[in-house]
Amino acid sequence: AQSVAQPEDQVNVAEGNPLTVKCTYSVSGNPYLFWYVQYPNRGLQFLLKYITGDNLVKGSYGFEAEFNKSQTSFHLKKPSALVSDSALYFCAVRDATNAGKSTFGDGTTLTVKP
Amino acid sequence: DAMVIQNPRYQVTQFGKPVTLSCSQTLNHNVMYWYQQKSSQAPKLLFHYYDKDFNNEADTPDNFQSRRPNTSFCFLDIRSPGLGDAAMYLCATSSRQNGEQFFGPGTRLTVL
Repeated sequence: AQSVAQPEDQVNVAEGNPLTVKCTYSVSGNPYLFWYVQYPNRGLQFLLKYITGDNLVKGSYGFEAEFNKSQTSFHLKKPSALVSDSALYFCAVRDATNAGKSTFGDGTTLTVKP
Repeated sequence: DAMVIQNPRYQVTQFGKPVTLSCSQTLNHNVMYWYQQKSSQAPKLLFHYYDKDFNNEADTPDNFQSRRPNTSFCFLDIRSPGLGDAAMYLCATSSRQNGEQFFGPGTRLTVL
């Protein structure tokens, strides 16, 4: 079985400050990990993924995430938040042996205030 | 640009009146998914196709059916919509190798 947890429903940061959106996961095999962003009344948009290789993954719009196997975490980060980063963020995990099917977290609403 | 297209963007139907939502993709991806999303919650997977192989989630109601006539198109049929089926329906695709999903803009279904 695979699962993912996003412990914070809401994250608030000031523009220009660093942001972190947390994600922890559970899989029986090797994890494939993903972050998606959703703006109001839109579909989800892929930000970045970890499959293998470097633990620090860089993605779209200046976002990055760090894979930590010992802590089973994949937190999303950005050094300097923008008001336009305000959106709903989903973490997703797929077991490398579970072809095709990902499990999504409940989402974290990020609000960046000017 | 390669993309995932969903039609219509907004669909209004009456209680019990069948409705079909469509999805097409120009990405030539093997896998296509249908999700139901309510009120900014996590997308709930209804079913997915791995090429022509249909995979139904155990808790997807029988009221929901799907067809994938070819690689590019996939349809979601709701045979008798209830008030609880009002939601955003998201179509997504992925390739077997990469794994990340590409989502369409969604169809917002209203049931009167």
